[in-house]
Amino acid sequence: AQSVTQLGSHVSVSEGALVLLRCNYSSSVPPYLFWYVQYPNQGLQLLLKYTSAATLVKGINGFEAEFKKSETSFHLTKPSAHMSDAAEYFCAVSDLAASYGKLTFGQGTILTVHP
Amino acid sequence: NAGVTQTPKFQVLKTGQSMTLQCAQDMNHNSMYWYRQDPGMGLRLIYYSASEGTTDKGEVPNGYNVSRLNKREFSLRLESAAPSQTSVYFCASSDTTGPINYGYTFGSGTRLTVV
Repeated sequence: AQSVTQLGSHVSVSEGALVLLRCNYSSSVPPYLFWYVQYPNQGLQLLLKYTSAATLVKGINGFEAEFKKSETSFHLTKPSAHMSDAAEYFCAVSDLAASYGKLTFGQGTILTVHP
Repeated sequence: NAGVTQTPKFQVLKTGQSMTLQCAQDMNHNSMYWYRQDPGMGLRLIYYSASEGTTDKGEVPNGYNVSRLNKREFSLRLESAAPSQTSVYFCASSDTTGPINYGYTFGSGTRLTVV
């Protein structure tokens, strides 16, 4: 069975500081990994995805994530936080072969950005 | 605009009432999903439909039924609403016909309150 653990339900950073949101996964087969962002009262929007092509994945709004198989991690980073980055972020995992594309989501991390 | 459309956006039900949440996608995706989102619990899969004519239970199916009316539409029904079903419901779709999982496109959600 696949699972995702997001370390830290709340992360707070200052504007201009590094953003690091942690995600560890468990999967019995090579996984597909995703980060989604949810702004208040909205649906989820895809930030980036890992589909085995490259271990460093760049997404929208300056975010990137690195797939580390040895650490079973897929942490999300951004060099310099903006106020507009304040949102909830979800990591998700899927193994297409067995799951009809079903995604398993982590519990979410709320990012707060201080001026 | 291409995407996933959910109706209604908001709903208040009394305990024991029934209702159907509607979802339609216009991206010709074969797979569709219903999730519920509760604080601190991420998104949990209720039901999914890998293709037109098929539906399967997810992690939390009790109290719900679904219908995949055609390739575009996937509805979620609450036969007898309970306060525990107060949540935000998201519909999503995905193209799972190829070898790569590109992730979901989400609707904007339905905020349901059962009193």
